[in-house]
Amino acid sequence: AQSVTQPDIHITVSEGASLELRCNYSYGATPYLFWYVQSPGQGLQLLLKYFSGDTLVQGIKGFEAEFKRSQSSFNLRKPSVHWSDAAEYFCAVGDQAGTALIFGKGTTLSVSS
Amino acid sequence: KAGVTQTPRYLIKTRGQQVTLSCSPISGHRSVSWYQQTPGQGLQFLFEYFSETQRNKGNFPGRFSGRQFSNSRSEMNVSTLELGDSALYLCASSLDSGEETQYFGPGTRLLVL
Repeated sequence: AQSVTQPDIHITVSEGASLELRCNYSYGATPYLFWYVQSPGQGLQLLLKYFSGDTLVQGIKGFEAEFKRSQSSFNLRKPSVHWSDAAEYFCAVGDQAGTALIFGKGTTLSVSS
Repeated sequence: KAGVTQTPRYLIKTRGQQVTLSCSPISGHRSVSWYQQTPGQGLQFLFEYFSETQRNKGNFPGRFSGRQFSNSRSEMNVSTLELGDSALYLCASSLDSGEETQYFGPGTRLLVL
């Protein structure tokens, strides 16, 4: 079955520390991978996406993610977290059309000072 | 360019009623998808419309339906509301020209009493 797993429900990181959010997927076809962020009361904002090519992709707000096919993973990273990064982060997988996305359950990021 | 807009933003209904939610995609976008977000089930794909035709459908009962108009605006309808239909309903639009990115609206929060 197609699925996305985000093992960490909640993560707390100190401001200025590095961040890694984990994402594992199960998908029968070539996966198209996405990370979205959702602030309270808001819709989803795309951070970055992987369709093909270089397995390390850069996104907005200083985020990057690495696609590892052998591990079926697409982990999100940021070298230095800011208080404004506190939000819920969703990993998603879809086909080339990118419409019927399958989302993970999300990871809530808290940032401590 | 204006983003995806959804109306209304908040809605309270009672069990057994029906509800219609509206979504206006980004100008030029032809594909509109709907998602339901609940604390228990997370983000789940409802359906996708393109050129006034339903192109893809998630695993939801027939009480959930939608349509798309010639200007790409979309509506979704839920009949015979149940308490479990309380959720944030998100609409997303995309160009549909190849490797796609979906842009999400702020959502409509529906509370069923």
